[in-house]
Amino acid sequence: GENVEQHPSTLSVQEGDSAVIKCTYSDSASNYFPWYKQELGKRPQLIIDIRSNVGEKKDQRIAVTLNKTAKHFSLHITETQPEDSAVYFCAAMKTSYDKVIFGPGTSLSVIP
Amino acid sequence: NAGVTQTPKFQVLKTGQSMTLQCAQDMNHEYMSWYRQDPGMGLRLIHYSVGAGITDQGEVPNGYNVSRSTTEDFPLRLLSAAPSQTSVYFCASTKPEAPYEQYFGPGTRLTVT
Repeated sequence: GENVEQHPSTLSVQEGDSAVIKCTYSDSASNYFPWYKQELGKRPQLIIDIRSNVGEKKDQRIAVTLNKTAKHFSLHITETQPEDSAVYFCAAMKTSYDKVIFGPGTSLSVIP
Repeated sequence: NAGVTQTPKFQVLKTGQSMTLQCAQDMNHEYMSWYRQDPGMGLRLIHYSVGAGITDQGEVPNGYNVSRSTTEDFPLRLLSAAPSQTSVYFCASTKPEAPYEQYFGPGTRLTVT
């Protein structure tokens, strides 16, 4: 079955710096890769996603890149702000009606 | 539109007790799933369902049962609670079209003593 690894497990950056979180997946048939943000004590929420026919997607300060050949995908946050502090999860799935497997998460701290 | 609701919010069980965690959604989503969240382990899939009458196992199904008699409801049953089942449980339903967003419930914090 699908296995998703995520690094680093914790990340601390100064406000204004960039943050990068990397994930790898094992099932080459996976074709949809969402990223979720979970603030302390709250439920996870989708922040950005990418499909396998796209190499990069950007939404304001957040971007995601995908390397299908290497089975890697990454989340990039630029100009980090304290409100970006949260746990970020990557995930992989094959279709909308397939199980979603999450990575173990990255705890991001943005230091003012 | 309440989205995904879960009850109870908190629960303490003794080892060996059974209980059902309730989950309901009002978005008419066919796909629903249950996750448990433990520190450093992320969100691990317990069971999922692609529609009424259809369920399947996820990554960590042992000790849990599910059923899906209606599109709206997807209860999770703990058959005989164990301390290893102490966790936060999230139910989620998934949009059937891109971006296939999963809507999570508020979670149930379960402690087994």
